[in-house]
Amino acid sequence: SQQGEEDPQALSIQEGENATMNCSYKTSINNLQWYRQNSGRGLVHLILIRSNEREKHSGRLRVTLDTSKKSSSLLITASRAADTASYFCATALIYNQGGKLIFGQGTELSVKP
Amino acid sequence: NAGVTQTPKFRVLKTGQSMTLLCAQDMNHEYMYWYRQDPGMGLRLIHYSVGEGTTAKGEVPDGYNVSRLKKQNFLLGLESAAPSQTSVYFCASSYRLAGGGNEQFFGPGTRLTVL
Repeated sequence: SQQGEEDPQALSIQEGENATMNCSYKTSINNLQWYRQNSGRGLVHLILIRSNEREKHSGRLRVTLDTSKKSSSLLITASRAADTASYFCATALIYNQGGKLIFGQGTELSVKP
Repeated sequence: NAGVTQTPKFRVLKTGQSMTLLCAQDMNHEYMYWYRQDPGMGLRLIHYSVGEGTTAKGEVPDGYNVSRLKKQNFLLGLESAAPSQTSVYFCASSYRLAGGGNEQFFGPGTRLTVL
């Protein structure tokens, strides 16, 4: 099964609300990354958190990592209609050759104006 | 900079036909990747390359071949297309960084339908 599994699969909120997405993984990681994919487009990197970090911020994004629980969460604060997209977590394993990432199945976020 | 570009954007093939997808990047990245994306499956790695002249298998390599003759290009070939290869194909590239932490840059995708 996939290294990364995301929850929920779909999330619908109103503009201005916060959105939280979760990612769980199975094996030890070097880092965990979050990507966004707008409909019909390629993925865009949002944020990276290393295994020795617990929390990271970038603008309206907040990512947490709990290596003991093998889980991460992505919080988008004060959401906007433009945040509507699919969000994927991706893990880079320890001793990773070639910078490979293993992607989760994604969370589809819909932000209603 | 164009970033990562993919050719073609759309293609329809008949079962048994062959084709090559071209990926080009102008960021001087060492690493390049081919993924396929299917509904509910996320992205799955087909093949990847850690440098010019080198390729390696990913998670789902069967039915595909790749070549990296030039650092900036990574080609994905389907020798005999099958309906199971209907998918959206994404190319990505990244820097080579010691200790990992490689952000990947993605192309816009190629939507392939095999009839």
